[in-house]
Formats: sequence, C-alpha cells, structure tokens
Amino acid sequence: QVQLVQSGAEVKKPGASVKVSCKASGYTLTGYYMHWVRQAPGQGLEWMGWINPDNGGTSYAQSFQGRVAMTRDTSINTAYMELSRLRSDDTAVYYCAKVGAGSCCHFEYWGQGTLVAVSS
Amino acid sequence: QSVLTQPPSASGTPGQRVTMSCSGSSSNIGTNTVNWYQQLPGTAPKLLIYSNNQRPSGVPDRFSGSESGTSASLAISGLQSEDEADYYCAAWDDSLTGYVFGTGTKVTVL
Repeated sequence: QVQLVQSGAEVKKPGASVKVSCKASGYTLTGYYMHWVRQAPGQGLEWMGWINPDNGGTSYAQSFQGRVAMTRDTSINTAYMELSRLRSDDTAVYYCAKVGAGSCCHFEYWGQGTLVAVSS
Repeated sequence: QSVLTQPPSASGTPGQRVTMSCSGSSSNIGTNTVNWYQQLPGTAPKLLIYSNNQRPSGVPDRFSGSESGTSASLAISGLQSEDEADYYCAAWDDSLTGYVFGTGTKVTVL
C-alpha cells in the first residue's frame, strides 16, 4: 500500500534553513508528481509547489519563490523540501502529498506531516 | 490569502444533511475541477471528493460533490459524529499557476 513517511519535527532559529524529507513506499516515486502543502497553527492549508520526480522539474507558489527548493533522490524513493531564510511565520506543519493517477492536482495520499517551529 | 471562499462553520444533528459552499472565479473553479479534503483534528488531510464529484475508494456515498459555474458544493447526508472535521475545497488556478485551497469549513455535529 502507498505510504508517505516524513522526517521528524524540527526547531530552527530565524534565518536558518530546514530540509524535510518524504519517503515514498508502495509505488515508484518517479511515477507521480509530489506536492508540498503547509498549515500554520490554527490556520488553513497553503500550497507551496510541486516536483516532477521523473525529471526534477519544479514549480513553486509565488509566495515561496527564491526561498524554497524541492528535490528528490530516486535511488531511495524520497522527495525533499528545503525552506531557507526561515521566519517565525514559517512555523507550521509541512505535508508532502502524492497526486492521483491521471491528475495534476488531486492529492490522493498525504504524509503524516512535519512540524517546523521557528523561534529565537 | 485564499482565493476560494467557504463559510467558516456548518452544523447539524446526527442523521441530518449538511451542505457547504466553495466560491471561486473563472480562473479556478470556472475552468478546473474541484477537490474536497477532510481534515480530522490533529491529522493530515484526506481526499474526500475529486474531479467535482468522484469519490475515492473507501469514501462513503454519504459524501457528494457538485459544481456549477464558479462555485462548488459538498454535501454530507446522514451526518455522523465522526464527520466532525474541517473541510477544504481546492482547485488549480490558471491565473496564479498554482493550486489554491478554500478557507475551510468546520463541521460540528450537535
């Protein structure tokens, strides 16, 4: 069965970077786009961007341009999201989400989420 | 901020039918299909409806989606206590070249 298992919680200082991993099992990472979504405490869902794990192509939401990088390591079926120049308002749970078959944009499977806390 | 607008809350008693709306524009709902996600407290979102009205395997047929013009709706019939959750609509937005989520509706079972 498909599973997305994310790395553990992180505490970072403002200005630092964080890299969250998302290990896929039950399917081949290169077969489906992977998206990243975040949720600040008590807030709604915010789309961050996607990566095409087959060729490494990416597209990022405007609000994250220049600060986010999505990569993958196909040898270990793992996708990554790195966010730099962290601010306190980047404190959120970060999710990876696999698209459904034949779709750009419905997220069939989600990781369990990774809490990133930014605090001085 | 979100470009898809949802009512902040909805409620009903067990067995009732509850509906919630999702209002967008020509660049998102008016052009692309709508998906709905259910988020139970403290958990990751779960796909509930995709392509306006399709249910993934395992989603009860109590949940149904519809779309008309630049708006969409989610209905829950035969409301159950386990349906108490946050519900988000979402769609691709051609103008933003990105995926947009609704503001979310919190459903309370009275």
